[in-house]
Amino acid sequence: QQQVKQSPQSLIVQKGGISIINCAYENTAFDYFPWYQQFPGKGPALLIAIRPDVSEKKEGRFTISFNKSAKQFSLHIMDSQPGDSATYFCAASKETSGSRLTFGEGTQLTVNP
Amino acid sequence: GAGVSQSPSNKVTEKGKDVELRCDPISGHTALYWYRQRLGQGLEFLIYFQGNSAPDKSGLPSDRFSAERTGESVSTLTIQRTQQEDSAVYLCASRFRQAGRYTIYFGEGSWLTVV
Repeated sequence: QQQVKQSPQSLIVQKGGISIINCAYENTAFDYFPWYQQFPGKGPALLIAIRPDVSEKKEGRFTISFNKSAKQFSLHIMDSQPGDSATYFCAASKETSGSRLTFGEGTQLTVNP
Repeated sequence: GAGVSQSPSNKVTEKGKDVELRCDPISGHTALYWYRQRLGQGLEFLIYFQGNSAPDKSGLPSDRFSAERTGESVSTLTIQRTQQEDSAVYLCASRFRQAGRYTIYFGEGSWLTVV
């Protein structure tokens, strides 16, 4: 019930392409879905987050799509750049109770120049 | 400081020794989390502190692991009798609440190597 499943494990995209990372969750009580970006040797940094009252959120080149009925959400990186190469983690929590984040396993993104 | 501060940033210890890892959360952040990240893997929840409430220790992998927090400030994670499988990055995070919404910020982590 607490699991968040993330795919793919790794992704290689050409510069300018679209990177898509998918996550699925089981616990219908989850109401907060952030994405974190992690560079080697650094802690995860909050990238973008969505709550279930909307189906999409866009911030610059980053978009989260959320499908409540399917219990799935995805991160789209438009016009991917080599500087986007990092590990991306999706996560979920019950925000209203301030509970812990449950993380996916991560996706290692490589954007080739 | 501006962010979550962790120390030491790197620690190499011998198997069987005890280690203490420290976390200074962002000032004013009431909640604090510890996570563990093994090489190439996701983040594994360890423990969560919220104000004066009893901590959520459900993620601690064994009784060799313990953590304390003084009020809403510094936290220490202690690993006793370290084992090689304890080698990982230990990440601390603190949580900010504004208008009923929460944002969680991570530190850079303490890299622990048990030899």
